[in-house]
Amino acid sequence: GAGVSQTPSNKVTEKGKYVELRCDPISGHTALYWYRQSLGQGPEFLIYFQGTGAADDSGLPNDRFFAVRPEGSVSTLKIQRTERGDSAVYLCASSFSALDTQYFGPGTRLTVL
Amino acid sequence: QQQVKQSPQSLIVQKGGISIINCAYENTAFDYFPWYQQFPGKGPALLIAIRPDVSEKKEGRFTISFNKSAKQFSLHIMDSQPGDSATYFCAAGSKNTGNQFYFGTGTSLTVIP
Repeated sequence: GAGVSQTPSNKVTEKGKYVELRCDPISGHTALYWYRQSLGQGPEFLIYFQGTGAADDSGLPNDRFFAVRPEGSVSTLKIQRTERGDSAVYLCASSFSALDTQYFGPGTRLTVL
Repeated sequence: QQQVKQSPQSLIVQKGGISIINCAYENTAFDYFPWYQQFPGKGPALLIAIRPDVSEKKEGRFTISFNKSAKQFSLHIMDSQPGDSATYFCAAGSKNTGNQFYFGTGTSLTVIP
């Protein structure tokens, strides 16, 4: 079956702009996670959804970052007033239930100029 | 504060040799320890995982050794192959720590033919 997909694969934007990153999880997976991976580092947790609700958003760095999952499937990570320090690969993962095996998508590489 | 410490940062092994990557953690609430393999431009893929009720788990050429008292776990890749060349991440998680995974900083493995 299809794995986790993320779009776009690459996004280049200018400082101060707004961006949206999309994640399509594996069908039937109720848990969805967003991570951020900087060059040479491991993935860093941002937010976790169980169904439609954000069960844990403690990893979001500040209020410029926001994520939604309105129907319990597709999720969108939204970044306002982007800064150069936001440049990273944003990874999405889904699992059948909380703390079950997490399956990662290929990521979206965000570059803020 | 790095919840999971991983070493070495990079590793070069001859084909047929054993690759060993080590991780240590502090939070005794962790009860799930996966290892992920990541190729350039791809998302992390689950390789093997262990829970602390066993000291070792083997799947093919990959073995996890777990030492609960020392709060350490390691990945052993037997008969290493050039196709194993990738970045490896250890991780730890628990439902009691927010259902997220805490990742190590990664080990870049190169297997020389």
